[in-house]
Amino acid sequence: ELKVEQNPLFLSMQEGKNYTIYCNYSTTSDRLYWYRQDPGKSLESLFVLLSNGAVKQEGRLMASLDTKARLSTLHITAAVHDLSATYFCAVDINSGGSNYKLTFGKGTLLTVNP
Amino acid sequence: KAGVTQTPRYLIKTRGQQVTLSCSPISGHRSVSWYQQTPGQGLQFLFEYFSETQRNKGNFPGRFSGRQFSNSRSEMNVSTLELGDSALYLCASSLAGFSKAFFGQGTRLTVV
Repeated sequence: ELKVEQNPLFLSMQEGKNYTIYCNYSTTSDRLYWYRQDPGKSLESLFVLLSNGAVKQEGRLMASLDTKARLSTLHITAAVHDLSATYFCAVDINSGGSNYKLTFGKGTLLTVNP
Repeated sequence: KAGVTQTPRYLIKTRGQQVTLSCSPISGHRSVSWYQQTPGQGLQFLFEYFSETQRNKGNFPGRFSGRQFSNSRSEMNVSTLELGDSALYLCASSLAGFSKAFFGQGTRLTVV
């Protein structure tokens, strides 16, 4: 059974600081997804990582994938209050082919304080 | 361009009843997937449909079923509702299965 572990589960940051959220998974996969969820809202897709070494950046967020280490990171640069949300990673165990089956991490609740 | 539309937004049902939730994807998107979110179990993948075919299913009992129509709209059905089925049900659509997905606002199901 695929296990996806995110850490930390809770992260309180000061504005302007940098931090990294880690997503470890237990089986071979080269497809990993990051999502954001604001309180009481739906999910927003942030990044789709489809190969070893993939790196995607948008604004203050950068995601990377190391399939050999079974590890993805979501790096936050110079955090601002608007980044406060819960961040989920999800791993696709159906690598190859266009279909997918996702297993989610428990999520990281990020709070950015002024 | 219209986003993903889920109906209804809120639903209250009694144990033992059945429920049908609807999802209209973004125009041109052929992949539709469904997820259940609860405080206890977190986010779980229910199933994915592409061109009216279910390609994958998560670890849910047979009470959970779905279908996709020729216009890519999708429905999911839960029969014999249990209290534990209370959850936020999310639908997402994408061009291809593994490309960026766009989520609807969700249906909040409460089983009493």
